[in-house]
Amino acid sequence: SQQGEEDPQALSIQEGENATMNCSYKTSINNLQWYRQNSGRGLVHLILIRSNEREKHSGRLRVTLDTSKKSSSLLITASRAADTASYFCATAPQNDYKLSFGAGTTVTVRA
Amino acid sequence: NAGVTQTPKFRVLKTGQSMTLLCAQDMNHEYMYWYRQDPGMGLRLIHYSVGEGTTAKGEVPDGYNVSRLKKQNFLLGLESAAPSQTSVYFCASSPGRITDTQYFGPGTRLTVL
Repeated sequence: SQQGEEDPQALSIQEGENATMNCSYKTSINNLQWYRQNSGRGLVHLILIRSNEREKHSGRLRVTLDTSKKSSSLLITASRAADTASYFCATAPQNDYKLSFGAGTTVTVRA
Repeated sequence: NAGVTQTPKFRVLKTGQSMTLLCAQDMNHEYMYWYRQDPGMGLRLIHYSVGEGTTAKGEVPDGYNVSRLKKQNFLLGLESAAPSQTSVYFCASSPGRITDTQYFGPGTRLTVL
């Protein structure tokens, strides 16, 4: 079963706008990761945030983690056409041996 | 560095046929993984390896076998393909623990008729 679930399933925004997607999970985690997948390609790692961290930044990406609510958000600022992709959260549960991937959020950036 | 590569990129099989998917990584990573990706679902772990000569079952191992004879290669075998194995298969590797950052290959799209 999926540990992490992204919301919304799909998102369409205008170039230059911000995109926010959320990930909720069920059990305690060691870390949470966000990956991007362009159409027909493999997943690319974006950010890893550990359970004792609340926020991380990488370029135009900002990730927050709220362990009390068991949720994370990924914010992409000033979106570009190249940000069109599916975004997946992956959780590393404390009592499991593997990463659990959500079904992803599909982001479309319109020119 | 090529990173993680997979061959073939596409394959069509008939039910009952067998095939092997090859994954290679040039990053000297200890851990390697095989996932499948189906529409509307997250990636599901099929098998993984924590080092040369080791393999372990993941979440959905039935119908698949794996081997890791060399550190840089991880093979996924389907002995008797079934339509339910139609999927996109991804190989990944990581330097350390299974829950650290993983590096993915470009995928193999497999159709079983």
